[in-house]
Amino acid sequence: DSGVTQTPKHLITATGQRVTLRCSPRSGDLSVYWYQQSLDQGLQFLIQYYNGEERAKGNILERFSAQQFPDLHSELNLSSLELGDSALYFCASSVEPRTYNEQFFGPGTRLTVL
Amino acid sequence: DQQVKQNSPSLSVQEGRISILNCDYTNSMFDYFLWYKKYPAEGPTFLISISSIKDKNEDGRFTVFLNKSAKHLSLHIVPSQPGDSAVYFCAASARRGLDSNYQLIWGAGTKLIIKP
Repeated sequence: DSGVTQTPKHLITATGQRVTLRCSPRSGDLSVYWYQQSLDQGLQFLIQYYNGEERAKGNILERFSAQQFPDLHSELNLSSLELGDSALYFCASSVEPRTYNEQFFGPGTRLTVL
Repeated sequence: DQQVKQNSPSLSVQEGRISILNCDYTNSMFDYFLWYKKYPAEGPTFLISISSIKDKNEDGRFTVFLNKSAKHLSLHIVPSQPGDSAVYFCAASARRGLDSNYQLIWGAGTKLIIKP
């Protein structure tokens, strides 16, 4: 158990809909990362927050947005969903972003868009 | 543009033998490399890392070798055990500036199967 929690575990929805994925980092970790893993692909970095502020952006679509709240939990919002958005979405956390500290991953949310 | 490549989607190794997983990268600015292990229905977990100032790092049964001139790294697992069956991801990062943040660039993963 990494200490990072993600809800829900599974999500099935239809094209055009909007969903919210939730992540609670490890106790004491200030930095949260979101990743997308499509079938047989590596992890694609989406976005990072540090202590409530956006720190870095990766390959995140404009239809996607995220935020980190004062209690440090984070939410990833996916809107106008398309079939291609079906993937595993991982959240990871680390103590701070300026070191090479390892990232601790949650179990992921499997999103299926029908 | 795949900056980190794991060219073998899967690898099958006999229990007790050596497993060698390979990773190639294209960006010479990468200065830190990590290996993560992933079981089904779980998130990746950190395994071992290496800085570009080293060419080898060892942790128990796991050793990572870095060949900077070839832009290649490998993970050796000796001896391989059934519990090592998992997907292994190679990831690389490059520091950007003094007040630097970093992103991990990930390979597609290699599925390691340890046969009894």
